[in-house]
Amino acid sequence: IAGITQAPTSQILAAGRRMTLRCTQDMRHNAMYWYRQDLGLGLRLIHYSNTAGTTGKGEVPDGYSVSRANTDDFPLTLASAVPSQTSVYFCASSGEAGGPADTQYFGPGTRLTVL
Amino acid sequence: GQNIDQPTEMTATEGAIVQINCTYQTSGFNGLFWYQQHAGEAPTFLSYNVLDGLEEKGRFSSFLSRSKGYSYLLLKELQMKDSASYLCAVLDSNYQLIWGAGTKLIIKP
Repeated sequence: IAGITQAPTSQILAAGRRMTLRCTQDMRHNAMYWYRQDLGLGLRLIHYSNTAGTTGKGEVPDGYSVSRANTDDFPLTLASAVPSQTSVYFCASSGEAGGPADTQYFGPGTRLTVL
Repeated sequence: GQNIDQPTEMTATEGAIVQINCTYQTSGFNGLFWYQQHAGEAPTFLSYNVLDGLEEKGRFSSFLSRSKGYSYLLLKELQMKDSASYLCAVLDSNYQLIWGAGTKLIIKP
């Protein structure tokens, strides 16, 4: 693989269920991010990780958790999904040497519907 | 609070030039990014400005004025494939990207 992959591509989930969105990058980037994108609101940061072993909260962290056990993987977990978490979720990473500082590169996204 | 403003939607004609404006108010400034996002796809990087002035990259150029909190993306010789949303984002003092809601650009033949 080259770049960032996300799984699943799309998912319909019953409210109250637990769900983990997967994100893997092979660019050896230090930093990784999870965003949600809703119509008219732009990208909003959920959680981020500046390096393996560390995580931080973004603008809208409630109801979500993340872990960063290694450089490549950054899963996002919804412990008990609610309909307001219906959105498109993008994973991104940054840290490539030689590019403009902090340029973020995005995965293809996961479209999640919570009913 | 932090704020990025862009027009919601713009329409332009194939072969013409269009300028998409972005104004920002953020806690600190460490650079401004423009991304392109086609419908149903991920954002892709277009340009980065950290110093005042114009950065040209083929048909696309990006301008920054830090004193005015203002940037624009200039697209020349518009093609149908340029129909997309264009996202402005500012790197704040904590090195977090603050995103605008995006400008949907519609290209007409």
